[in-house]
Amino acid sequence: QVQLVESGGGVVQPGRSLRLSCAASGFTVRSHAMHWVRQAPGKGLEWVSVDGKNEYYADSVKGRFTVSRDDFRNTIYLQMNSLRTEDTAVYYCAREYQLLGDAFDIWGQGTMVTVSP
Amino acid sequence: SDELTQSPSVSVSPGQTARITCSGDALPKQYAYWYQQRPGQAPLLVIFKDSERPPGIPERFSGSSSGTTVTLTISGVQAEDEADYYCQSADSTAKYVLFGGGTKLTVL
Repeated sequence: QVQLVESGGGVVQPGRSLRLSCAASGFTVRSHAMHWVRQAPGKGLEWVSVDGKNEYYADSVKGRFTVSRDDFRNTIYLQMNSLRTEDTAVYYCAREYQLLGDAFDIWGQGTMVTVSP
Repeated sequence: SDELTQSPSVSVSPGQTARITCSGDALPKQYAYWYQQRPGQAPLLVIFKDSERPPGIPERFSGSSSGTTVTLTISGVQAEDEADYYCQSADSTAKYVLFGGGTKLTVL
């Protein structure tokens, strides 16, 4: 079964760090560009980053967040440093699928990150 | 900077046609995608490459594009279609992903 499972969310104080994981099954992450998308409570979707041929980041997280992947574990990561209250959100990982025109065809269930004093 | 603009809400009665639009300067150059998100769930792809439907998505969902505007049309709306709908594309450099602000579809 093709799926993504995120983990690593939690409650953290401003300025601290957190690492999110996204474990894939049913496909290999090295064959796809993988994205992180977040959604603040009651708000819309906000793209965060992509790990593909290149890494790109939204301006709101550039210099603080870093993506990486472990092909052996078939898992991607989002290292989040210098967290701010405005980073509070559900974080989703998503697969970009070339055969569907680079659409995000598989999404995880999300992991909640709360940044609070 | 590039951005995608959606109207906040659309309301229709069951069986009617709902049209949700998304506008952005990069849309003539970049494909658009549409996602459905029900409360508490992850987004679900319903349209890719402006007008194509993924396997398993009902035929009542269709997409179109004209200039700087793309449209998601849901014909014969059903109660289960009540959800938030997001358009997605890329900026003019094709490096950065853009999401519209989302449109809440209410089925009366």
